[in-house]
Amino acid sequence: GENVEQHPSTLSVQEGDSAVIKCTYSDSASNYFPWYKQELGKRPQLIIDIRSNVGEKKDQRIAVTLNKTAKHFSLHITETQPEDSAVYFCAASDAGNKLTFGGGTRVLVKP
Amino acid sequence: NAGVTQTPKFQVLKTGQSMTLQCAQDMNHEYMSWYRQDPGMGLRLIHYSVGAGITDQGEVPNGYNVSRSTTEDFPLRLLSAAPSQTSVYFCASSSPADTQYFGPGTRLTVL
Repeated sequence: GENVEQHPSTLSVQEGDSAVIKCTYSDSASNYFPWYKQELGKRPQLIIDIRSNVGEKKDQRIAVTLNKTAKHFSLHITETQPEDSAVYFCAASDAGNKLTFGGGTRVLVKP
Repeated sequence: NAGVTQTPKFQVLKTGQSMTLQCAQDMNHEYMSWYRQDPGMGLRLIHYSVGAGITDQGEVPNGYNVSRSTTEDFPLRLLSAAPSQTSVYFCASSSPADTQYFGPGTRLTVL
């Protein structure tokens, strides 16, 4: 089955700096890669996703890049703000919609 | 649209008791799934369904049963609760090969 590894497990950045989270996956059949943000005690919320036919996608301060050859994808958050503090999860899925999640990254943005 | 709803929000069980966690969605999504999230960890897939009458096992199915008699509902049954099943349970739904939307979660404690 699919295996997704996520690094780092914790990330502390100064407000205004950039944050980068990296994930690798094992199954070359995976073709959909969402990123979720989870605040304490809340449900995971989708923040951005990318499909295997695209190399990069941006949405305001958030971007995701995908390298299919190397089987890794990354989340980039620019100009971080205190409200970006949360746990972020990457995931990988094949056409069957079965999501396999990474272990999560706890991001702390220090004012 | 209520989206994905889950009941109850909190539940305390004694070892050996059984119960059903309810999940419903009003988005006419074909795909539904159950995840568990242990403290400080990612989400692990328990069971999933690609449509009414069709279910399959995920990564951690032991001790849980599911059924899907309607498109809207996907209940998760704990047959004989164990302390190892103490966790937060999330239900999710999606259209095929599309974003999964999560319910608010059920926090279960087994004593």
